[in-house]
Amino acid sequence: DTGVSQNPRHKITKRGQNVTFRCDPISEHNRLYWYRQTLGQGPEFLTYFQNEAQLEKSRLLSDRFSAERPKGSFSTLEIQRTEQGDSAMYLCASSSRTGLAGANVLTFGAGSRLTVL
Amino acid sequence: SQELEQSPQSLIVQEGKNLTINCTSSKTLYGLYWYKQKYGEGLIFLMMLQKGGEEKSHEKITAKLDEKKQQSSLHITASQPSHAGIYLCGALQGYNFNKFYFGSGTKLNVKP
Repeated sequence: DTGVSQNPRHKITKRGQNVTFRCDPISEHNRLYWYRQTLGQGPEFLTYFQNEAQLEKSRLLSDRFSAERPKGSFSTLEIQRTEQGDSAMYLCASSSRTGLAGANVLTFGAGSRLTVL
Repeated sequence: SQELEQSPQSLIVQEGKNLTINCTSSKTLYGLYWYKQKYGEGLIFLMMLQKGGEEKSHEKITAKLDEKKQQSSLHITASQPSHAGIYLCGALQGYNFNKFYFGSGTKLNVKP
């Protein structure tokens, strides 16, 4: 296994277009996270999956954003009708936590950078 | 909601100098994670601390979680240009500790 893979690495699009990002987690990890990061800020939590179930969703995730994880494997993050404010790095991470308050080390992908013109 | 505040926001040090980055939580921490991010790339896991007073080291980087479990410090000894990057502390939050969130990061530059 080569870690968490994200595609595409870079995406430039025009305002109003739809974009989709894909994340392939580490195969044995049942947890998957999406984050958004803008310049000079830490990653902001967007959503979280345990297997195929989307268990948490941030208020940052407007109606234009949707995430799926069919069959509990790869995940997609779609942004509809993109706006310039959507320009950011979109990070995916996966983990396999042990116990209720046990270790939850997230392994991150390299990110997908979105530029909306 | 719980917040993580990091200080300083940015740091420039001369190669060979020691430095410390702090992460303070508004609530008790049940696990504190340190990550490093090179500019424009993903995050690399450094260390995790769970017990009050716990201290861990990896090469020249040492992290400690204070006894009250609301603050952590990351100390780099004899800094090198390879230490440059953004250091982020992270923690679990929410029902069943599902949500993993981060501080705003500390940007470190090391001058050769």
